[in-house]
Formats: sequence, C-alpha cells, structure tokens
Amino acid sequence: EAGVTQFPSHSVIEKGQTVTLRCDPISGHDNLYWYRRVMGKEIKFLLHFVKESKQDESGMPNNRFLAERTGGTYSTLKVQPAELEDSGVYFCASSQVTTPVLSGYTFGSGTRLTVV
Amino acid sequence: AQRVTQPEKLLSVFKGAPVELKCNYSYSGSPELFWYVQYSRQRLQLLLRHISRESIKGFTADLNKGETSFHLKKPFAQEEDSAMYYCALKGQGGSEKLVFGKGTKLTVNP
Repeated sequence: EAGVTQFPSHSVIEKGQTVTLRCDPISGHDNLYWYRRVMGKEIKFLLHFVKESKQDESGMPNNRFLAERTGGTYSTLKVQPAELEDSGVYFCASSQVTTPVLSGYTFGSGTRLTVV
Repeated sequence: AQRVTQPEKLLSVFKGAPVELKCNYSYSGSPELFWYVQYSRQRLQLLLRHISRESIKGFTADLNKGETSFHLKKPFAQEEDSAMYYCALKGQGGSEKLVFGKGTKLTVNP
C-alpha cells in the first residue's frame, strides 16, 4: 500500500507569507495527525482528525494555523502569516484502528519549513 | 504535567558494545510508553511499546514505575542501529496524542 505522503518536502518562505502543507494519509485511514518538530525541541502534537472532524486540536499554537481535512481524505495545514518561529519539520501520521496510539501510527516523511 | 525526558542528546558506542538510551517520564496514573526510531533518510516508525513486552531488533525496554523510567537497551549494538531514537508517552484523558522526548542520536562506530 502507498504510505503517508507529504508535500512539499521542503518549503522556504519569507516571514509574513502564507504556506500550505498537504498530507495524503493511507487510503481508508480515518485517523490523521499533525505533529511538528521545531529545531532543538521535541516533536509536538498539533491536532488529530477522525475522518473530517477535528477530534483534538489542543496543540495548535495559535490562530495563524488552520488545518482542514476535506471529505475525510487528505489534509492541509495552512500557516498565515508565517513567522520565524514556525520553522521546523511538520509530520503527518495516519492510522485506521480505533486505538491508533497503541497500534502505532504510520508517519509521513515530513515537510521541512524554513521561514526567513 | 506529562513530560518525557531523554537526557542524552548524543550517544556513541562501538559495535558489539551494550547500549542504553535513557528515558524518564512524568505522568499521573498508569503510563503507556513507546520507543520510536528514525533511521537516516527514513520515516519515523514505531520500534516497541511497553505493553507488548516485546523485543524488536534485539532492543528491549522495561517500564520502571518506581524510577519513572523506560530505558531502551540492547546488549550488542550493530552499526545499523545508528539512528535517532524518541521515547514517547500517550496523552492523558483518552487523548490519542503522543508526548515525545527530544530524542537521542545513537551512533554505532565500527
């Protein structure tokens, strides 16, 4: 099966611009997660979708971040306007089962975002 | 508050030597802990989980509630074990999120 696909793999944008990251989960996976790793810090949870619904968005840093999941398929994460501290690697993960944490996610390769 | 601490940012050992990657956690209640690994140019993937009490690629990890630790061990390190290792804790309150440590980069030298 195809894995979790993220694009772009890299993005360099200027402060104040808008960037949209995309994640295509494994087909049929209802659970979709976004995480990010800022340089020198731990990987942090951003939010969790179950199909098209936001199950938990407690990790979203502020209202400059907007996540959507159209029709319960792919997901986008938009940062508008981007700030320097948004630089990092954004990971997407998906899982089908009802206890995804215990069963393990399938992670994407990540999008490296650099805001200059 | 939930927290995972990996005190070693870098760890270097020689092939055939034992290796231990440390992980300590802070959690109220019964924790569910995991080790994830990211090999060079590969994706983050689950290595093992404490509830399974499994050994994967020769690695084991024992949950020690008294010391609030979940250290990852392997008796004889191999060069292909070189990777970034992350300890992670399942969030509380029914949450399905993971709380990660900062990771330890393991280098196994020939």
